[in-house]
Amino acid sequence: RKEVEQDPGPFNVPEGATVAFNCTYSNSASQSFFWYRQDCRKEPKLLMSVYSSGNEDGRFTAQLNRASQYISLLIRDSKLSDSATYLCVVNIPGNQFYFGTGTSLTVIP
Amino acid sequence: GAVVSQHPSRVICKSGTSVKIECRSLDFQATTMFWYRQFPKQSLMLMATSNEGSKATYEQGVEKDKFLINHASLTLSTLTVTSAHPEDSSFYICSARERAGSQNTQYFGPGTRLTVL
Repeated sequence: RKEVEQDPGPFNVPEGATVAFNCTYSNSASQSFFWYRQDCRKEPKLLMSVYSSGNEDGRFTAQLNRASQYISLLIRDSKLSDSATYLCVVNIPGNQFYFGTGTSLTVIP
Repeated sequence: GAVVSQHPSRVICKSGTSVKIECRSLDFQATTMFWYRQFPKQSLMLMATSNEGSKATYEQGVEKDKFLINHASLTLSTLTVTSAHPEDSSFYICSARERAGSQNTQYFGPGTRLTVL
């Protein structure tokens, strides 16, 4: 079983739409959670960390559900520039970072 | 956020040559750095974990004698692809872990695109 699983998509949404991605993780010892964004042929860039109480950064909201072992990312009022692949990343203390395969988002004019 | 640099950004070489890629954390000390490889339209694949002053830990299926990793200081790790072959052509990305409070955050270098002819 994979450590981190994501729906690869693709998600094609119109500009202004709200879109949500989910990611599940298998190891209950996971402690740190992140969403990264990767543009085509570029390196992943940290979008936001995910905190237990949930956190928001502008149009982006991240949530963590430890009981069900999933994290989510909500993007409101989608912009064309949001088109990218969104990677879910989980870290177990003292261990490596585990990546999901990424969810592809295309925002359509 | 923290900055990680990688050099070179792009390299084209002949089959059989060795290529060295440098990864530097510019504004923080990274006791752990990671090396990834990414083929087109695929996910990042961890190759090895590099700890300063000790031998790297390689993932299953990654040949340690082919992909030499040296983590000489708290800000520098190098990956050498020895006797490169066309199938080694890929996007190689390093990352460095910054510990900040209770969060471990990983920052990526810009990647090195290797093409082996």
